[in-house]
Amino acid sequence: AQKVTQAQTEISVVEKEDVTLDCVYETRDTTYYLFWYKQPPSGELVFLIRRNSFDEQNEISGRYSWNFQKSTSSFNFTITASQVVDSAVYFCALSEGLSGTYKYIFGTGTRLKVLA
Amino acid sequence: EAQVTQNPRYLITVTGKKLTVTCSQNMNHEYMSWYRQDPGLGLRQIYYSMNVEVTDKGDVPEGYKVSRKEKRNFPLILESPSPNQTSLYFCASKTGGSNQPQHFGDGTRLSIL
Repeated sequence: AQKVTQAQTEISVVEKEDVTLDCVYETRDTTYYLFWYKQPPSGELVFLIRRNSFDEQNEISGRYSWNFQKSTSSFNFTITASQVVDSAVYFCALSEGLSGTYKYIFGTGTRLKVLA
Repeated sequence: EAQVTQNPRYLITVTGKKLTVTCSQNMNHEYMSWYRQDPGLGLRQIYYSMNVEVTDKGDVPEGYKVSRKEKRNFPLILESPSPNQTSLYFCASKTGGSNQPQHFGDGTRLSIL
């Protein structure tokens, strides 16, 4: 069965520190897709990145980077030189490609607090 | 502007009084979905729809109904709301295909007394 685990419930860092948010997933499909979403204090859900199961290339976008490792079923998210505006709840999500269920499974989220 | 619109944004009501939360998208997306967000539980999928007249259960469908009579609309119906349905609800849409990200509405906060 599908499952997404975000073991870190809440993380607090001081501005300019680097921080990594962990995401571990379970799936029986060989084709699947992983996503990260951000939910700032205002409450909306914002898409950050998508990764396909057959593409293990890591990605960097400004201060954000994502490390996808199929061997450990992890899709971790690192924020470099964190800023107060990064304070939010971050969700990892999984969508399976071939099972036909078209379900979307979210993790329970990690609340990141960046202190000035 | 591309958007998913939910109404109402806030609602306080009483147990057993039927209510409908509307969701509309203007992006011609095939896929639409409803989630509830509860502290410590993240987002859980209630129902989803692959296209008009095609709906299926998510992980927590009990106590909810949906319909998809038009492509743009996907209302969530609580026929007999109970206090355990007090939650923050999100509607989302996307184009077909499991690899697509979802576009979310701004959320509806429901309180059932």
